Amino acid sequence: NAGVTQTPKFRVLKTGQSMTLLCAQDMNHEYMYWYRQDPGMGLRLIHYSVGEGTTAKGEVPDGYNVSRLKKQNFLLGLESAAPSQTSVYFCASSYAGITGANVLTFGAGSRLTVL
Amino acid sequence: DAKTTQPPSMDCAEGRAANLPCNHSTISGNEYVYWYRQIHSQGPQYIIHGLKNNETNEMASLIITEDRKSSTLILPHATLRDTAVYYCIVRLRNRDDKIIFGKGTRLHILP
Repeated sequence: NAGVTQTPKFRVLKTGQSMTLLCAQDMNHEYMYWYRQDPGMGLRLIHYSVGEGTTAKGEVPDGYNVSRLKKQNFLLGLESAAPSQTSVYFCASSYAGITGANVLTFGAGSRLTVL
Repeated sequence: DAKTTQPPSMDCAEGRAANLPCNHSTISGNEYVYWYRQIHSQGPQYIIHGLKNNETNEMASLIITEDRKSSTLILPHATLRDTAVYYCIVRLRNRDDKIIFGKGTRLHILP
């Protein structure tokens, strides 16, 4: 049981390049989330998903796209990376049942630098 | 979801109890209070949650006021390893909502 796994852990991009961050969870969680965290700041929600095939915008969705084709995977895409997207990205997932604690389980983070 | 307010930073002497406050004055009746912490640059870690009653687990205690407008996370015997940013959030337990984190409280444990 690996929990929430993010790949890659580190990536350096040039402005204008595209890339995809992968989040995989093996806990059969319905909900999945992508956050970004800038130095000295809290977590800001980018996009989230409440189930396979569904996505929704969070606080800071501009410049990102997401997909949830499989329940266990939540992909975060940058179509044209900008220096302002330099950040640490965290993925999280949670159970949705009414009897569960609905606790978020986070991945270890993906550090992205855009030059 | 209700917003929360936390002090930006706090200090606590090692071995003492650390009491971290959170204000959530607009909380609704069926929203839970959750606490997470983030050690250095790791992913945040769940600590505890509660609705009305005080809660305790192996990590901490959660005290919620009777009017539910504020709560306090208590680390009974703080150690250097408890140095972290602590986040208080409120949310419905089983709703497919956005989960918004604030900036949290940076807790410094002093040796």
